[in-house]
Amino acid sequence: KAGVTQTPRYLIKTRGQQVTLSCSPISGHRSVSWYQQTPGQGLQFLFEYFSETQRNKGNFPGRFSGRQFSNSRSEMNVSTLELGDSALYLCASSLEGAQASPLHFGNGTRLTVT
Amino acid sequence: DAKTTQPPSMDCAEGRAANLPCNHSTISGNEYVYWYRQIHSQGPQYIIHGLKNNETNEMASLIITEDRKSSTLILPHATLRDTAVYYCIVRHFNDYKLSFGAGTTVTVRA
Repeated sequence: KAGVTQTPRYLIKTRGQQVTLSCSPISGHRSVSWYQQTPGQGLQFLFEYFSETQRNKGNFPGRFSGRQFSNSRSEMNVSTLELGDSALYLCASSLEGAQASPLHFGNGTRLTVT
Repeated sequence: DAKTTQPPSMDCAEGRAANLPCNHSTISGNEYVYWYRQIHSQGPQYIIHGLKNNETNEMASLIITEDRKSSTLILPHATLRDTAVYYCIVRHFNDYKLSFGAGTTVTVRA
């Protein structure tokens, strides 16, 4: 079974631009979560989608948004990029968002903002 | 979420068993113990999870003490590819997200 696929693998953007990251979950998984990982802050939760609805949201500004499509694929968008947005963005999928189903992560998109 | 305590680092000889300890003394009855690992530049990889019984899969074994205040992840035959940061996480069965601590950096040496 194919794992979680994230594209692109690397991105370089300049301040003020916007970026869209894509995530394809494991087949059959309906919950998709996004995380930001930085050396200083560790892994931080962005948001979680289930059946095209955002169910939970972390403490990030409105510049960070996402959506989920009917096939469970998800996209994350960051507008008006700042230098501090440079990070590894990870997508994780699970059968359900809770009920102890393990999250399975992709290898992330490494975003560098210059 | 209950917090976990792990040693910051440990070494292991290739081919030997690696035993990774984790303390979670404030764990509640509805919280599971999860283990993930992260190899440099990759996403976290799910290893195993359990509630109160010991668990085993193709990657590892999870031993949870009877009082559930600590657990041990066992990699039965460590290889160089097992070098990674290992995270022990306590997660309520209804939690939608994971919170990672600092983890244990495991270095497997030839």
